[in-house]
Amino acid sequence: DIQMTQSPSSVSASVGDRVTITCRASQGISSWLAWYQQKPGKAPKLLIYAASSLQSGVPSRFSGSGSGTDFTLTISSLQPEDFATYYCQQANSFPPITFGGGTKVEIK
Amino acid sequence: QVQLVESGGGVVQPGRSLRLSCAASGFTFSSYGMHWVRQAPGKGLEWVAVIWYDGSNKYYADSVKGRFTISRDNSKNTLYLQMNSLRAEDTAVYYCARDKGYSTAPHLNLDYWGQGTLVTVSS
Repeated sequence: DIQMTQSPSSVSASVGDRVTITCRASQGISSWLAWYQQKPGKAPKLLIYAASSLQSGVPSRFSGSGSGTDFTLTISSLQPEDFATYYCQQANSFPPITFGGGTKVEIK
Repeated sequence: QVQLVESGGGVVQPGRSLRLSCAASGFTFSSYGMHWVRQAPGKGLEWVAVIWYDGSNKYYADSVKGRFTISRDNSKNTLYLQMNSLRAEDTAVYYCARDKGYSTAPHLNLDYWGQGTLVTVSS
């Protein structure tokens, strides 16, 4: 199975900050990478798919990049509603689908 | 709008069975693959199973293979997860989620999720 490793596991940031989260796959997954946002007590929400495609309705301050084994989710200007946990997910080698361990974005 | 509503969770003893349901509305259910994903308390996301839009293919995580069965009734717009031989480590919130792919093999990106149903396996 492909292992997905996210870093950092948590980050403290202020409103307006630029935040970058990385995700590394244990082997190449081309661009088969998605990012999800999850708020406490809520279901995950798809933000990015195919490494860099913005899901409909997601603000443009979210962007994704990368291919192969290294990927990045960037929030260009952090907003109060962005404080949440973010997960990456690979869809290249299946089954299984695998998720990263999550990155919690906290208020500084 | 797209809605997915899970039901059937609860407290169950180890070794017993439980069936989860996911009622879908707001889209053509029979045209989309569907997934179950679970999240143990305080932990990350774990994919459980997927079923093709027409039910022709099903795949499972190794952790549930042979114990869980995913199925669907396209006439009732409902997805199911039959869980047998439950273990303490199956305790989690179970989410159903729609695959982003339309009338194709799944894209394996999950674009809509239900609110989840909690399954607690305990004696």
